[in-house]
Parts: sequence; structure tokens; C-alpha cells
Amino acid sequence: NAGVTQTPKFRVLKTGQSMTLLCAQDMNHEYMYWYRQDPGMGLRLIHYSVGEGTTAKGEVPDGYNVSRLKKQNFLLGLESAAPSQTSVYFCASSRHNGGNQPQHFGDGTRLSIL
Amino acid sequence: AQKVTQAQTEISVVEKEDVTLDCVYETRDTTYYLFWYKQPPSGELVFLIRRNSFDEQNEISGRYSWNFQKSTSSFNFTITASQVVDSAVYFCAPRSGFGNEKLTFGTGTRLTIIP
Repeated sequence: NAGVTQTPKFRVLKTGQSMTLLCAQDMNHEYMYWYRQDPGMGLRLIHYSVGEGTTAKGEVPDGYNVSRLKKQNFLLGLESAAPSQTSVYFCASSRHNGGNQPQHFGDGTRLSIL
Repeated sequence: AQKVTQAQTEISVVEKEDVTLDCVYETRDTTYYLFWYKQPPSGELVFLIRRNSFDEQNEISGRYSWNFQKSTSSFNFTITASQVVDSAVYFCAPRSGFGNEKLTFGTGTRLTIIP
């Protein structure tokens, strides 16, 4: 019953460092998403993917890159971390993009940029 | 433009009381879907329920019930006989029915159940 798995769960970076967050799902879902959650706010979409080899920008894509080389994995990269990117990052997946399909979320990655 | 509003920022009730969480979704879309997610203190996001804009039948599942009124764009969630384990942040997240991939999350309502 793994569902959506995010690694790492916690990370502290210094400004300017780079890192990659990994999201893996075992539900054979076509669609995958990366969100960020900041205090007092709902989730905001960073990037998403509609299938293997595809990516698209969401609401707040600046400063992030993504890749979907395999259907089950969706990677979120920070090339040069900034304090404004301190947040909790959630990955989600859904069967397809039908409006009635719920998104299933991972447990989140808490990222702090010093 | 679409707008989702969860006007209640924080609610506290004593255990066993009933509590209703409000969500208003303003849109010109005629077809849309409404999702509720729960985020307990441990931080994960748990999918609770999905409702369609064309189905206004209320639904009850155990201690949870949902009341959707399209005329007022309100999609309310009631917990009866609340328990401490219900303490969490609850998000309303509508989504257009026309292949729009984006869930629009409300700002959430933090519910605290006092033992």
C-alpha cells in the first residue's frame, strides 16, 4: 500500500545549493503533480505531467524544473535554492485528467533554505 | 474567474459536538467537481470526498455528511459527534470539469476538537 512516496522527508539547504526531490507512485497513474504549501495558504501547483516524457508549468513554476523519464517517477529540481523556496512540497498523482479523478498525495517533503 | 473561499480560518469545538465547515466556490462553469481533503497534524493530505456539480443529493458517510447547494455555490461538510482525531486542517478543492488539471485549493479551516 505504498501509494505515493516522496523522498527525502526533510532537507536543509544553503542558498545557492541544488537538490532534487523524488516522487514515486505505484498506482500506474498517468498524471503527476508537484505542489508547494506555505503557512496559511492552500497548495499551489508548481509543475505537472500528463504522462511519461511530458511536463508542463503550473501556477508557480519559477525556480523549479521537473522531469518524468519513467511513468512512475516525477522529479522536482531546484537548481539554485533561495530562501523563498522554503516550503513543504507535496507530490500527487491521479489516474487521468478527468475532472472527477481525485489526486492522491504523498506525505510531503519539508524543505528549509538557509 | 474562479474563486474558492473557506471563510472559517479556525474552529474549536468540544468533543462530541457537531461542527460544519463552509466552502463557497464561485465559477461560471456549469460542470465542476468539488473535493475535500483532510490534513492531520502529521502533515499528510487525505482525500475525503468528491462531489459533482450536477448532483445535489446530500451524502452521509458515518459521522461525515456533505451538503451541496449549487444555487449558493456552497459545499459544506459536517462532522457529527466530533472526536479528537478529527482535529486537522480541512481543504476544499474545486476543479473544472473541462480537463483543467489544476485543483484550486482553499486556504483551509483548522479544526480543533477539545477533549
